[in-house]
Amino acid sequence: AQSVTQPDIHITVSEGASLELRCNYSYGATPYLFWYVQSPGQGLQLLLKYFSGDTLVQGIKGFEAEFKRSQSSFNLRKPSVHWSDAAEYFCAVGLLEEYGNKLVFGAGTILRVKS
Amino acid sequence: KAGVTQTPRYLIKTRGQQVTLSCSPISGHRSVSWYQQTPGQGLQFLFEYFSETQRNKGNFPGRFSGRQFSNSRSEMNVSTLELGDSALYLCASSNRKFNGYTFGSGTRLTVV
Repeated sequence: AQSVTQPDIHITVSEGASLELRCNYSYGATPYLFWYVQSPGQGLQLLLKYFSGDTLVQGIKGFEAEFKRSQSSFNLRKPSVHWSDAAEYFCAVGLLEEYGNKLVFGAGTILRVKS
Repeated sequence: KAGVTQTPRYLIKTRGQQVTLSCSPISGHRSVSWYQQTPGQGLQFLFEYFSETQRNKGNFPGRFSGRQFSNSRSEMNVSTLELGDSALYLCASSNRKFNGYTFGSGTRLTVV
């Protein structure tokens, strides 16, 4: 079955430090991959997506992610974290099914930023 | 342009009651999906509607249902509420398949 694993439940980084959030997926075909961010009490905001082509994708707020097929990974990175980046981050794989589409999400990683 | 609008933002219901949540997608978006978010189960897919037809359904009991209107607005209904139905219910809309779903702010349902 298709699945998404985010190994880190919590990550704490210092403001200005670099960030990498890990995501591994299990899916037989070429995946459609997404990263979303959620602030407390809010919905999900799309940071970036990968469908095909260049394996390094740029997103909003200075985030980027790299698709590595050999490792079934789609890790999210940011060179310098700001306090406003504190939130929960979700990796998701988009599934194309015969009768419709859906997203399968990882469990999320909570990012804390210390000053 | 306006985003995905979900109403109401908060709801408190009693066990056994039923509830209807509403979602207005981005103008022009014809696909609407619903997700349930709980601390224990995370984000789980409920169903997807496209052009008033349910295209896909997650693994939820029949108490969870939905529909989509001709203007693409969608409603979901939960009957005979249980305490475990307490969750944030998120609606997402899309114009094309997997072009990146846009999510609403959600409806926080509390069942007491």
